[in-house]
Amino acid sequence: DTGVSQDPRHKITKRGQNVTFRCDPISEHNRLYWYRQTLGQGPEFLTYFQNEAQLEKSRLLSDRFSAERPKGSFSTLEIQRTEQGDSAMYLCASSPFRDARNIQYFGAGTRLSVL
Amino acid sequence: GQQVMQIPQYQHVQEGEDFTTYCNSSTTLSNIQWYKQRPGGHPVFLIQLVKSGEVKKQKRLTFQFGEAKKNSSLHITATQTTDVGTYFCAGPDTGNQFYFGTGTSLTVIP
Repeated sequence: DTGVSQDPRHKITKRGQNVTFRCDPISEHNRLYWYRQTLGQGPEFLTYFQNEAQLEKSRLLSDRFSAERPKGSFSTLEIQRTEQGDSAMYLCASSPFRDARNIQYFGAGTRLSVL
Repeated sequence: GQQVMQIPQYQHVQEGEDFTTYCNSSTTLSNIQWYKQRPGGHPVFLIQLVKSGEVKKQKRLTFQFGEAKKNSSLHITATQTTDVGTYFCAGPDTGNQFYFGTGTSLTVIP
């Protein structure tokens, strides 16, 4: 068990640029979640996958955001035409979802700064 | 949409004092989880409660799920400096979107 890995840890970009983050979940975890967290707030749900299927997307997720999990293993989160309001910590979590226990294991996150 | 509020937002206690955070959801939850996030860290799972009125203990931590499954509490007895962090409750809505509470930041003064 190597834990949930996120890359990069930090990303600084200029407004209007596209950015992509990667998440490698714990091996054999079938659920994968993406959250956004700003300072002093709780994680805000963005989307989640059951294997390769994207099952839920937050209404807060604008069309500039897209996530994929092509083979049911790692996932990517892309933000197009970044805005200063996108600056936040982007957290990924995975869950084995056994017996209705949905324990989520979080990665260290990717901190995005949009200048 | 679903809202999960926690009070207090901040709590400062002397080491050895007790601490309680309360979590209230605008909708009924099928289950509730608690996470701890240390400063600069990521959320770490503490416990999951499923049954109405359920109470679980982990050493000095006591977790309770309300009878109506819309509220929960976390109580820490005799706080230690290692308890410092932000405590979040979280739960799924009927569509499996996961909502985290607003969090309670605990500071323990040695």
